[in-house]
Amino acid sequence: AQKVTQAQTEISVVEKEDVTLDCVYETRDTTYYLFWYKQPPSGELVFLIRRNSFDEQNEISGRYSWNFQKSTSSFNFTITASQVVDSAVYFCALSEAWAGGTSYGKLTFGQGTILTVHP
Amino acid sequence: EAGVAQSPRYKIIEKRQSVAFWCNPISGHATLYWYQQILGQGPKLLIQFQNNGVVDDSQLPKDRFSAERLKGVDSTLKIQPAKLEDSAVYLCASSLEGKVYEQYFGPGTRLTVT
Repeated sequence: AQKVTQAQTEISVVEKEDVTLDCVYETRDTTYYLFWYKQPPSGELVFLIRRNSFDEQNEISGRYSWNFQKSTSSFNFTITASQVVDSAVYFCALSEAWAGGTSYGKLTFGQGTILTVHP
Repeated sequence: EAGVAQSPRYKIIEKRQSVAFWCNPISGHATLYWYQQILGQGPKLLIQFQNNGVVDDSQLPKDRFSAERLKGVDSTLKIQPAKLEDSAVYLCASSLEGKVYEQYFGPGTRLTVT
């Protein structure tokens, strides 16, 4: 069975601070995808990143960066110089990457982390 | 390109009543998903369609929930009768066939059962 744990329920920071959102996962699949989604107050889930389990390179996109460590089953997300517009609920998710697998395409989400950035 | 459309955005009903939600996926997307997101939790997949066929409905409470996608485009999710614990946001998502890892989500329908 797949499981995603986001231990931080809520995080509150002041604008321009850096913040890291933690994600730990469990899976028996040999190939899998990891995702981060943002859910602003409007409710729509916005895709941020997808990472294949074969690719452990860290990625940076503007103020966002992701640290994937297979050895610790973690896929953490850092926002540098946070802004008020970053306030949202952030979800980490996992799915099987093998097209023949029973869980292919089925997203398993963590509980989410509520991030509030104060001006 | 238009995104995934859902209606209504909000619905309040009393327990034991019935309710239906509608989803229009992105044009050309063969795969459609319904998720349930209870307050404070991540979304949970209820049902997945490939065109008009069901791929997975293992987590759909079939005694009260039903879903259909008759022409392989729009989909309707129904709850009958509703219970208090059905209060949640119901999210619809769609993806291209063969790209199930690229799911696009709609704005959701927030259901409150009183």
